[in-house]
Amino acid sequence: ETVMTQSPVTLAMSPGERASLSCRASHSISSNLAWYQQKPGQAPRLLIYGASTRATGFPARFSGSGSGTEFTLTISSLQSEDFAVYYCQQYNDWPFTFGPGTKVDLK
Amino acid sequence: QVQLVQSGAEVKKPGASVKVSCKAFGYTFNTYGINWLRQAPGQGLEWMGWISTKHGNTNYAQKIKGRVIMTTDTSTSTAYMDLRSLRSDDTAVYYCARDDFYFDHWGQGTLVTVSS
Repeated sequence: ETVMTQSPVTLAMSPGERASLSCRASHSISSNLAWYQQKPGQAPRLLIYGASTRATGFPARFSGSGSGTEFTLTISSLQSEDFAVYYCQQYNDWPFTFGPGTKVDLK
Repeated sequence: QVQLVQSGAEVKKPGASVKVSCKAFGYTFNTYGINWLRQAPGQGLEWMGWISTKHGNTNYAQKIKGRVIMTTDTSTSTAYMDLRSLRSDDTAVYYCARDDFYFDHWGQGTLVTVSS
């Protein structure tokens, strides 16, 4: 099973700041990585797939990068609606696995 | 537009079974697989398994294999997840999600509470 880890657990940020979230896979998953955004009481929303392709509905301030075992989600200038939990997920092999999440919190 | 609409919340006793439904709207049902995932209170996301809506073949997570059955009814564009021998640690929000690899549309979630 591919183990996914994320850091940091919590990121305390102010609006307008740049946020960088890290995701690591226990072995190479090529670019078979997705990111999801989840707000309290809501289902997750697909944010990024293929490590760097933005899903419909998300603005250009969100970007994904990386391949192999190291991945990054960057939010270039945090807006109030971006405070949420972000999960990475590998779909390179079964079972599909998620990282434990990074909470982007208001400082 | 694409929508996945799940059945309502359930309260079950330990040892019982629960069946959650997921009805698809806005696309051709048998062109995308359906995955089931769950999220325990305050916890992260756990993938439970996948079903092909075209052929009916399945792939289940090892942790719940033997207790879960996923099925579909193409005539009503509905997917089902049946979980048996419920335990307290099965208490979670259960989600269905479309697609075969990453999940581009999700149901609203179904809270299943297992309590004596």
